[in-house]
Amino acid sequence: ETGVTQTPRHLVMGMTNKKSLKCEQHLGHNAMYWYKQSAKKPLELMFVYSLEERVENNSVPSRFSPECPNSSHLFLHLHTLQPEDSALYLCASSQLPETANYGYTFGSGTRLTVV
Amino acid sequence: AQKITQTQPGMFVQEKEAVTLDCTYDTSDQSYGLFWYKQPSSGEMIFLIYQGSYDEQNATEGRYSLNFQKARKSANLVISASQLGDSAMYFCAMREVGGNDMRFGAGTRLTVKP
Repeated sequence: ETGVTQTPRHLVMGMTNKKSLKCEQHLGHNAMYWYKQSAKKPLELMFVYSLEERVENNSVPSRFSPECPNSSHLFLHLHTLQPEDSALYLCASSQLPETANYGYTFGSGTRLTVV
Repeated sequence: AQKITQTQPGMFVQEKEAVTLDCTYDTSDQSYGLFWYKQPSSGEMIFLIYQGSYDEQNATEGRYSLNFQKARKSANLVISASQLGDSAMYFCAMREVGGNDMRFGAGTRLTVKP
């Protein structure tokens, strides 16, 4: 399997639940990202992992907890979410930016609904 | 800080005609890359075309071309011979050399009419 795979594709969870989103890439990339895409808002960068270390956290609430156990896998652990957290969560991977033309390869996203 | 502006929330085009989607950007860096992505209703972000800040020629990929005007900091996407399958959201994005992340515009929803 190639590319970036995200599971699950759809997730409905209650505000007291704990769930995890999974992202896996088979491209040999060494950087991975979580983005949030809400309706009528630009993509929001949440977390950046480079060489399995978190290098950026854009003031994301602590109810979102990322984990990057190796360069191929990225998780987003969710707990006590709010309805406004309902969105499409996109994972992407890329190579370290030696030049700017390393674009991102995206997964198909997980559409999360918090009820 | 980077900023990407797409001023057209929605665009309509007749099938087989060409359409231009606008994008302007703001950066103080000299080395950067510009990207366009397509997002169909399925949600996946599909890479379309790339333009480097030092590239002298406009990028082209099949029916897609990028009208790059560096002095004006604009990177408009031109889609020629529109097809019904081109209906989707289109995002302009920029990444600075050495930067850790890519920033996206708000997107333009393109609808191709038969």
